Amino acid sequence: ETGVTQSPTHLIKTRGQQVTLRCSSQSGHNTVSWYQQALGQGPQFIFQYYREEENGRGNFPPRFSGLQFPNYSSELNVNALELDDSALYLCASAGGERETQYFGPGTRLLVL
Amino acid sequence: EDQVTQSPEALRLQEGESSSLNCSYTVSGLRGLFWYRQDPGKGPEFLFTLYSAGEEKEKERLKATLTKKESFLHITAPKPEDSATYLCAVLLGNSGGYQKVTFGIGTKLQVIP
Repeated sequence: ETGVTQSPTHLIKTRGQQVTLRCSSQSGHNTVSWYQQALGQGPQFIFQYYREEENGRGNFPPRFSGLQFPNYSSELNVNALELDDSALYLCASAGGERETQYFGPGTRLLVL
Repeated sequence: EDQVTQSPEALRLQEGESSSLNCSYTVSGLRGLFWYRQDPGKGPEFLFTLYSAGEEKEKERLKATLTKKESFLHITAPKPEDSATYLCAVLLGNSGGYQKVTFGIGTKLQVIP
């Protein structure tokens, strides 16, 4: 058990809709990162939050956005869903700059 | 562009047949390298962190090593429960709390009884 939880576990949406995914980090971990993992691929870095501010972003469009809260929870929001957004979404928390990232179980999103 | 390449993409071993998985990288400013194990439909499970060339870490049947351009995950006498996808990831970024982690595609290991 990593102490990182995610909700929901599964979600089905239609193209054009908006979705919010949630993550609860380990207590004391100030850094949370979000990843998208398509089937058969490695996780792709979406963005990272450190002490409630976004401080790093991968090659994802602005319709992917997030929030981090003081209680070690965070959200990933995706607007205007596209079919290619179907994937496993993972959050990972870490306690410092070079600390290991611990992953949650993921949310499986299917866009129809 | 930062690249992480894992080989082979898939590996099938008999129980007890030792082997190695490779992770090679072309990045600037490597700050660390992670190995994770991932079971289907689940989040990656942390195995090892390596920070400098020459470093080695062991856990049960697994041993990870790091050179300046690649890392190896050695599996000694594997068992069927070692079947999973093994992911390598490099830690990049600058100071100030930013961690950019780039993953390889993974090696899917199947261990046959």
